[in-house]
Amino acid sequence: RKEVEQDPGPFNVPEGATVAFNCTYSNSASQSFFWYRQDCRKEPKLLMSVYSSGNEDGRFTAQLNRASQYISLLIRDSKLSDSATYLCVVNIWGSQGNLIFGKGTKLSVKP
Amino acid sequence: DTAVSQTPKYLVTQMGNDKSIKCEQNLGHDTMYWYKQDSKKFLKIMFSYNNKELIINETVPNRFSPKSPDKAHLNLHINSLELGDSAVYFCASSQDFGGGQPQHFGDGTRLSIL
Repeated sequence: RKEVEQDPGPFNVPEGATVAFNCTYSNSASQSFFWYRQDCRKEPKLLMSVYSSGNEDGRFTAQLNRASQYISLLIRDSKLSDSATYLCVVNIWGSQGNLIFGKGTKLSVKP
Repeated sequence: DTAVSQTPKYLVTQMGNDKSIKCEQNLGHDTMYWYKQDSKKFLKIMFSYNNKELIINETVPNRFSPKSPDKAHLNLHINSLELGDSAVYFCASSQDFGGGQPQHFGDGTRLSIL
């Protein structure tokens, strides 16, 4: 089983749609969780950290379920500029900052 | 102001050559990383340095040798390049190597081996 698994997509949605991405991780010692965004031929950029209580940043909501080892990202009112690949990322306790990246979910928002 | 900068952005070279990629960060971070993203887009860590000391060395051929002259720089030297080395190499940095730290990435070096 891969350490971090995501649905690769692509998710093709119209502008204004709400879209949800899911991610599961296999190591119960995972301690920190992030969503990164990577545009085509660009570097990954931190979108948001994910906290146990769930957190929201504008149109983006991230949730963590430690019992199920599951992370989600919800994007409301999708914009064309949201088109990118979304990477689920975990850090495992004691791994000294080693981030484990999922393969990413590709989102394409159409007019 | 570029936070994490890598040079060169593109590198096209022949099999068997030796090449270096440079990375510098001006964020004052203690920890720097090298990642490889292959054609399947899978991003995987190669090395990590904290304050010029190696702390992560994943299973990478010893043809790859990182060098950190100071904590703001982490260069990657590759000997005897092979076809399979073709990929995008990203440098990154974080405040320290504590688990909760997000990492900031350079814009990548696209290495193509002919």
